[in-house]
Amino acid sequence: ELKVEQNPLFLSMQEGKNYTIYCNYSTTSDRLYWYRQDPGKSLESLFVLLSNGAVKQEGRLMASLDTKARLSTLHITAAVHDLSATYFCAVTINNNDMRFGAGTRLTVKP
Amino acid sequence: DTEVTQTPKHLVMGMTNKKSLKCEQHMGHRAMYWYKQKAKKPPELMFVYSYEKLSINESVPSRFSPECPNSSLLNLHLHALQPEDSALYLCASSPTDSLSSYNSPLHFGNGTRLTVT
Repeated sequence: ELKVEQNPLFLSMQEGKNYTIYCNYSTTSDRLYWYRQDPGKSLESLFVLLSNGAVKQEGRLMASLDTKARLSTLHITAAVHDLSATYFCAVTINNNDMRFGAGTRLTVKP
Repeated sequence: DTEVTQTPKHLVMGMTNKKSLKCEQHMGHRAMYWYKQKAKKPPELMFVYSYEKLSINESVPSRFSPECPNSSLLNLHLHALQPEDSALYLCASSPTDSLSSYNSPLHFGNGTRLTVT
């Protein structure tokens, strides 16, 4: 059975600091997704990582994928308050079956 | 603005009621999904329709009944729900029935927040 594990589950950081969120998954998958969710809102796609060694950056967020280690990271650079949200990683199995990690609830404090 | 539209945004229903959630997309996507999300939890897959046919049913209780009238519409019919079914119900779509062959994420609607009393 596929397991998608994120850590940390809760992250409180100060503005201007850097931090990394980790996502491990237990079975082979050729797609790794990162989503953001604000409280009471839907999921917003951040990144789709397609292959081993893939790295994508958007603003203060950078995501990477190591398919051999079954590990993806989401790195936050110089955090700002607007980044406060819950971040989910997800992987696909069996074509259109997407499974999510538990989520990392990020709070950025002044 | 999301391109996947869900109605209603909020729904309160009693355990004996029958109601339906609706989802619509006009992106030409051929796969549509229902996810259930409890508070502070990740979304959990319920159903997947590919080309208007049910392809995945994650052992969802029969009090939830999905329907895909056409490739743009997805309904979730609710009957005799329990208070523990209260959650955010998210609809999503994707261009094909194979996420592994398409470089696109799922497109989520804004969800219906359901409360069962």
